[in-house]
Amino acid sequence: AQSVTQPDIHITVSEGASLELRCNYSYGATPYLFWYVQSPGQGLQLLLKYFSGDTLVQGIKGFEAEFKRSQSSFNLRKPSVHWSDAAEYFCAVVPSPGFQKLVFGTGTRLLVSP
Amino acid sequence: DAGVTQSPTHLIKTRGQHVTLRCSPISGHKSVSWYQQVLGQGPQFIFQYYEKEERGRGNFPDRFSARQFPNYSSELNVNALLLGDSALYLCASSSIVHNTGELFFGEGSRLTVL
Repeated sequence: AQSVTQPDIHITVSEGASLELRCNYSYGATPYLFWYVQSPGQGLQLLLKYFSGDTLVQGIKGFEAEFKRSQSSFNLRKPSVHWSDAAEYFCAVVPSPGFQKLVFGTGTRLLVSP
Repeated sequence: DAGVTQSPTHLIKTRGQHVTLRCSPISGHKSVSWYQQVLGQGPQFIFQYYEKEERGRGNFPDRFSARQFPNYSSELNVNALLLGDSALYLCASSSIVHNTGELFFGEGSRLTVL
């Protein structure tokens, strides 16, 4: 079945440590790929997106993501986490370009310890 | 510039009632989408409207309906509420109909059905 999988429900990282959040998708063709962040009481904010080209994508707030076609993955990374990064992170895909529908994963909640 | 605004922010209804949620897109955006986010899950696509026409519908029952007005604002209506309709309802707007760009989300309307 077509789906987006975020295998980690919660992740705790020490402030200043590096971060990697995992995302796998199962679609026949390479979909458009996105990472969104949701802070408590706020809407979703786009961190970065991948359509084609360079497989390493830079986003806002110091985040980056790498698309790996062979692994059907689009993992989010940050070299040094700040306490303000604590939030819920969602990977999302547009499975059929030309139709505006985002399919989201179940999310990963990031906790940042002092 | 104002972002996507949604009203009301919180509301409580009882089973069998109906609810109307409202959304104002970012100025100049003609596409509005609605998503349902149940606690602990990622958002699920409900509808997309562009230029006042329905362009897409997710896997939701006919109790869910929406419309878009000439000023591009939108309403989501849910009839015969069930306990399972309790969720955060997110509205998103964009400037193009095909999702090759960014969706801008509002902070949502949190619906509790008792």
